[in-house]
Amino acid sequence: QKEVEQNSGPLSVPEGAIASLNCTYSDRGSQSFFWYRQYSGKSPELIMSIYSNGDKEDGRFTAQLNKASQYVSLLIRDSQPSDSATYLCAVNTGFQKLVFGTGTRLLVSP
Amino acid sequence: NAGVTQTPKFQVLKTGQSMTLQCAQDMNHNSMYWYRQDPGMGLRLIYYSASEGTTDKGEVPNGYNVSRLNKREFSLRLESAAPSQTSVYFCASSARDGYYEQYFGPGTRLTVT
Repeated sequence: QKEVEQNSGPLSVPEGAIASLNCTYSDRGSQSFFWYRQYSGKSPELIMSIYSNGDKEDGRFTAQLNKASQYVSLLIRDSQPSDSATYLCAVNTGFQKLVFGTGTRLLVSP
Repeated sequence: NAGVTQTPKFQVLKTGQSMTLQCAQDMNHNSMYWYRQDPGMGLRLIYYSASEGTTDKGEVPNGYNVSRLNKREFSLRLESAAPSQTSVYFCASSARDGYYEQYFGPGTRLTVT
């Protein structure tokens, strides 16, 4: 079983819709969770961090964490074509390292 | 602040050649990392340095060496390049504050023929 799992997609949503991206992780001791956005040919860019159960909102982005279910999600409201990218989930399982999922490709159509 | 910088941006090597990828950060971060990214494989950790003077192997260290030159700089060396090392290489850094959110450089696209 992979440590961090994501559906590779593509996830296709129309402009203005809510995009929901999901991630599950295997290590119950994981302490911090991150979402990165990666445009084609570019490097990963940190867009959200979450450390405790519940929701964290930042503009159009909401990260949700459920440690009991070992589940992290990212909601993007009012999706724009510029949101089209690959979204990477990353988990800190300790030892000063992050484990990354393989990413979900999001396509937002005008 | 430039954040994390990497040189070169692109490189083509012949099998057996050697090269060093350079990385520097100006965020006063303690920890630095080298990853490679291949289609369908995601980001895989090659080596990391939790602090100046220390380095540790990651998931895919074979064929690579690293040097943490000082707090700012962390280099990755390929001693004898192989076609399997064709990849995009990213350097990242993080503050050692318990959360370890990482910030990435722009990457180096390496082709080994």
